[in-house]
Amino acid sequence: NAGVMQNPRHLVRRRGQEARLRCSPMKGHSHVYWYRQLPEEGLKFMVYLQKENIIDESGMPKERFSAEFPKEGPSILRIQQVVRGDSAAYFCASSPYDYGYTFGSGTRLTVV
Amino acid sequence: QQQVKQSPQSLIVQKGGISIINCAYENTAFDYFPWYQQFPGKGPALLIAIRPDVSEKKEGRFTISFNKSAKQFSLHIMDSQPGDSATYFCAASKGAQKLVFGQGTRLTINP
Repeated sequence: NAGVMQNPRHLVRRRGQEARLRCSPMKGHSHVYWYRQLPEEGLKFMVYLQKENIIDESGMPKERFSAEFPKEGPSILRIQQVVRGDSAAYFCASSPYDYGYTFGSGTRLTVV
Repeated sequence: QQQVKQSPQSLIVQKGGISIINCAYENTAFDYFPWYQQFPGKGPALLIAIRPDVSEKKEGRFTISFNKSAKQFSLHIMDSQPGDSATYFCAASKGAQKLVFGQGTRLTINP
């Protein structure tokens, strides 16, 4: 069991570019969650998805951010027209149906 | 209502001592209370979790104490070791809904 796989581990983007973060959940897990962690801070919920459905996006900024979890393939968090304030660690977690969240190692986004 | 408040922000404990981190929540609908350990550059790793139908859960040197009436829960690390030095997060959720995290506690164990 490979665990929750996130890639890339590190991503550098210039201001105005797009960032695509990928998350492959654990085998058998159908629930995916994205969190953002700023340096020296806690984890802030962004979005909760099940296959082909967004269940809760209450933590996601209304503009420039989107997420999907297609029937086939990984979950994608997309940030369009990145700004310096988007620099953070983005973590994905998965769970089988309830509880038992497992986190990936994260993608560290740096906007220059 | 969705907040989980964690204290202290930082904690220094001597090797062999007991580390205690506290959390308080508001939402009585929460029914799952995990603790996560995070090392620099790594993702959070589940340490131990409790459901509100029990008041205490112990796994090795780690114990969660849960006080439903006070809406508080705490993590105790017995015989703390330098390898326990990390940031600890409490969290809470209702079913499969999002985890709400505390602000984190940076724990340092002095040798």
